[in-house]
Amino acid sequence: EAGVAQSPRYKIIEKRQSVAFWCNPISGHATLYWYQQILGQGPKLLIQFQNNGVVDDSQLPKDRFSAERLKGVDSTLKIQPAKLEDSAVYLCASRPGQGKETQYFGPGTRLLVL
Amino acid sequence: GIQVEQSPPDLILQEGANSTLRCNFSDSVNNLQWFHQNPWGQLINLFYIPSGTKQNGRLSATTVATERYSLLYISSSQTTDSGVYFCAVEGIYNNNDMRFGAGTRLTVKP
Repeated sequence: EAGVAQSPRYKIIEKRQSVAFWCNPISGHATLYWYQQILGQGPKLLIQFQNNGVVDDSQLPKDRFSAERLKGVDSTLKIQPAKLEDSAVYLCASRPGQGKETQYFGPGTRLLVL
Repeated sequence: GIQVEQSPPDLILQEGANSTLRCNFSDSVNNLQWFHQNPWGQLINLFYIPSGTKQNGRLSATTVATERYSLLYISSSQTTDSGVYFCAVEGIYNNNDMRFGAGTRLTVKP
């Protein structure tokens, strides 16, 4: 079974530029998550999708971050414009439903904002 | 929201030694997972363990939900066990939000 796929693996941009990340969850997984992990900290949830609907985006900085999962499969996370403090690893995870199940994580995208 | 505290923050072991990592949480949970983040940043599932005890090779975990803590045991540690170990929980009153602890950084020396 293929795992969660993410791209790109690394990205370097200048502040005020825009950037987008892509995630393809494990086949058949209805629930998809985006996390932000700042160096030295644990991951923090940004947004959760159930199929193509948003379940929780309370911690997403909506003035600059947006995310979509149009067909209930893969997802994109966008930052526009980026700030220095957005430098982090962006992790995507998926699970089969929304219940008491394991979350599986992708390899992450390392973003550096200069 | 639910608070998650992990201890110790850092741990240095000699290869072959045993260790215990602790995770305390502030409320009742639906879900508790232990992860290992390797030096390349990949989060690897170790255990899904909201209660009870599980074992997988040299690793085992115990969660005492009524007392709001979980323990991860690593026996006969190897250099490949190095990395950061995270505990993550979903509270029963907010099960959309998996909260991570700050992690325990383990270094195993040959």
